[in-house]
Amino acid sequence: SQTIHQWPATLVQPVGSPLSLECTVEGTSNPNLYWYRQAAGRGLQLLFYSVGIGQISSEVPQNLSASRPQDRQFILSSKKLLLSDSGFYLCAWSGSPSGTQYFGPGTRLTVL
Amino acid sequence: QKEVEQDPGPLSVPEGAIVSLNCTYSNSAFQYFMWYRQYSRKGPELLMYTYSSGNKEDGRFTAQVDKSSKYISLFIRDSQPSDSATYLCAMSGDFGNEKLTFGTGTRLTIIP
Repeated sequence: SQTIHQWPATLVQPVGSPLSLECTVEGTSNPNLYWYRQAAGRGLQLLFYSVGIGQISSEVPQNLSASRPQDRQFILSSKKLLLSDSGFYLCAWSGSPSGTQYFGPGTRLTVL
Repeated sequence: QKEVEQDPGPLSVPEGAIVSLNCTYSNSAFQYFMWYRQYSRKGPELLMYTYSSGNKEDGRFTAQVDKSSKYISLFIRDSQPSDSATYLCAMSGDFGNEKLTFGTGTRLTIIP
C-alpha cells in the first residue's frame, strides 16, 4: 500500500530564516506530487505541483520554491521566511486518471 | 464566481441526525467528484469518490452527483461525534487532471 510522509510535524522559525520541508511517498512510482498551504480556517491553496523529476509548476508567486530531486521526494524551501508564511503545509500525491489525491499528515509552521 | 462553492458553516447537528453537505460548481467539464474529511490539525483523508452522475454508498455515507444541476452532496446517516470534522469537496475533469479544484470546506460538529 502507498504511504506518504512529511517532516517535521511542527516547526517554529524566526522571520528571515531558511526553510526546508520534506515529503516522501512509498509504494508507488512516478506519482504527481503537490504542496498546499492551509491558513487557519481557510481552504487549501495549491503552491506547487510536479509531474516528474525536476518538473515543477508554480501556482502562486511567492518567496517559496519546490524541488523534486527523486521520483518520490518533494521538497519545499525558502531562503528567507516571512510572517505570512505561517500555516499548515500539506503534501499530496496522485497516481490515478481521476486525479484523486492522497494527503500527508502535514507540517505546522509558525514564523515569529 | 468561484469554480466550486461550498457553504463554510459551521454546521452543528445532534447525534443520530442525518447530515447533508453540499457543493455547487460551474465547470461542466468536471467528471470526477470527491469528498475529503479533515480532522483538526490533520491532513485531509479521502472519504468518497464518484465518477459522473449518480449515487454511491459506503456504510453511513452516501455521495450524490447531479451533473445537470452542477450540484454534489454528501449525506451522513446516524451521525456520530466522531464525524465532527471539516468536509471538503473536490473535482476534476476527464483531461489534464494534474490538479483538483477544491471547495473551501464545511466545518461540522455532531453534538452528543
